[in-house]
Amino acid sequence: DSGVTQTPKHLITATGQRVTLRCSPRSGDLSVYWYQQSLDQGLQFLIQYYNGEERAKGNILERFSAQQFPDLHSELNLSSLELGDSALYFCASSVVGDTQYFGPGTRLTVL
Amino acid sequence: DAKTTQPPSMDCAEGRAANLPCNHSTISGNEYVYWYRQIHSQGPQYIIHGLKNNETNEMASLIITEDRKSSTLILPHATLRDTAVYYCIVRAYNTDKLIFGTGTRLQVFP
Repeated sequence: DSGVTQTPKHLITATGQRVTLRCSPRSGDLSVYWYQQSLDQGLQFLIQYYNGEERAKGNILERFSAQQFPDLHSELNLSSLELGDSALYFCASSVVGDTQYFGPGTRLTVL
Repeated sequence: DAKTTQPPSMDCAEGRAANLPCNHSTISGNEYVYWYRQIHSQGPQYIIHGLKNNETNEMASLIITEDRKSSTLILPHATLRDTAVYYCIVRAYNTDKLIFGTGTRLQVFP
C-alpha cells in the first residue's frame, strides 16, 4: 500500500459526458501528479500540482483540467469524453523532487 | 531527460536471480536512475533508485556501471509475484515528471 488513494476504482460513462477523478496524496506530500495509461500510448504524464499551484504540464488535453485543494487532495476533471479517453488514470504523490508513489488508479471506460 | 533502452521481455525461473538490464547512454551528471514495476494494471510500484553508487534495499539491488551508461536491476530470488513490467527511468533531481518507456515484461515461471 503506497498511501495514495484514488476514487473511484472504476468509472463507466458515455461519450460527451464529464467525470471527476479524485486523489488523496500520502501524508506530508505536497506534490500530486496525474498520469494516463492507455493501451496504445503507455504511461504518460499529464500534470503536476505542488501545494495548490500548477507546477508542470505534460500532454494534457484542453478538455482535461485538474486542481489541488487546500487539504492537498487533487481532482482531475475530464469533459466532452471521447472513446479514446478510456484508460487507466493514476495519481502519484511525493515530497517535491523526491520519489513518486502511485495510487491504485481509476479505470475509465467511455462507451 | 535521457532516454532508456530495455529488452521487451525476459524469463526467469522461480528462486533464481532476475537481472534486468537498462541502457541510458545519454545520461547526464545530475540524473538519477529509477526503477518501478507494474503488476498487471496496478499502480506502478517504486523499487529503487541511484545516482552513481550501487544501491540495495529489501526489494532489489541496483548496479550502475562506472560510466553510468547502463544499469542492472537484480531481484535476488524471484518469485511468481515478481511477474510484472519493469520500467527503468532516468530523471533529473529537479525535474519532477517521470517519462515511462515500454519497459521489460518479466515472466517468472515455476
